[in-house]
Amino acid sequence: DIVMTQSPDSLAVSLGERATINCKSSQNLLYSSNNKNYLAWYQQKPGQPPTLLIYWASTRESGVPDRFSGSGSGTDFTLTISTLQAEDVAVYYCQQYYSTPYTFGQGTKLQIK
Amino acid sequence: EVQLVESGGGLVQPGGSLKLSCAASGFTFSASAMHWVRQASGKGLEWVGRIRTEANGYATVYAASVKGRFTISRDDSKNTAFLQMNSLKTEDTAVYYCTPDGSGWGYWGQGTLVTVSS
Repeated sequence: DIVMTQSPDSLAVSLGERATINCKSSQNLLYSSNNKNYLAWYQQKPGQPPTLLIYWASTRESGVPDRFSGSGSGTDFTLTISTLQAEDVAVYYCQQYYSTPYTFGQGTKLQIK
Repeated sequence: EVQLVESGGGLVQPGGSLKLSCAASGFTFSASAMHWVRQASGKGLEWVGRIRTEANGYATVYAASVKGRFTISRDDSKNTAFLQMNSLKTEDTAVYYCTPDGSGWGYWGQGTLVTVSS
């Protein structure tokens, strides 16, 4: 199974500042035939289902603010929130959809400092 | 507008059974593989399993934690996916979500709560 490890587990950032969450996979998520990384990022607020932010490691889902960006390839990935807003307080998960069993990172709790 | 409505959750004793439903609308259900994902209270997301389309033989695959106990099925005529859960354990207590397959899973229902307790 592919293990997804996020860091840090929790993060406190001041409003307007940058937030960075890292995700490391135990196996390569880059599929050579199409040069795509099978990695997604989700945001989850309390009492709500997850919301897709980023797929293919760096493609922003429609309607997601452009302050959210994804980067990385292979086994190391990053979600960046360029200027933190109050509504960004949530838990963030990375997920690999390269192979079954599909697996998620343990989550990173983002709070306001 | 895509809508997913999970139902069928409730309280069940250890060793019991429960069948969840996921009613879908707003997309071509029959052309979409469907996943079930669960989340225990205060914990992270856990993929449960997937069912493919008729064109792919309705093939299913499961997480090791539920294999042999859970069965995913679908009724394309009713745009509904199902999760049959047998031999339930206390550790199966969670909110269960369904979501259609895609490059990233962009649509989720509100989930249905399953509580396994004596």
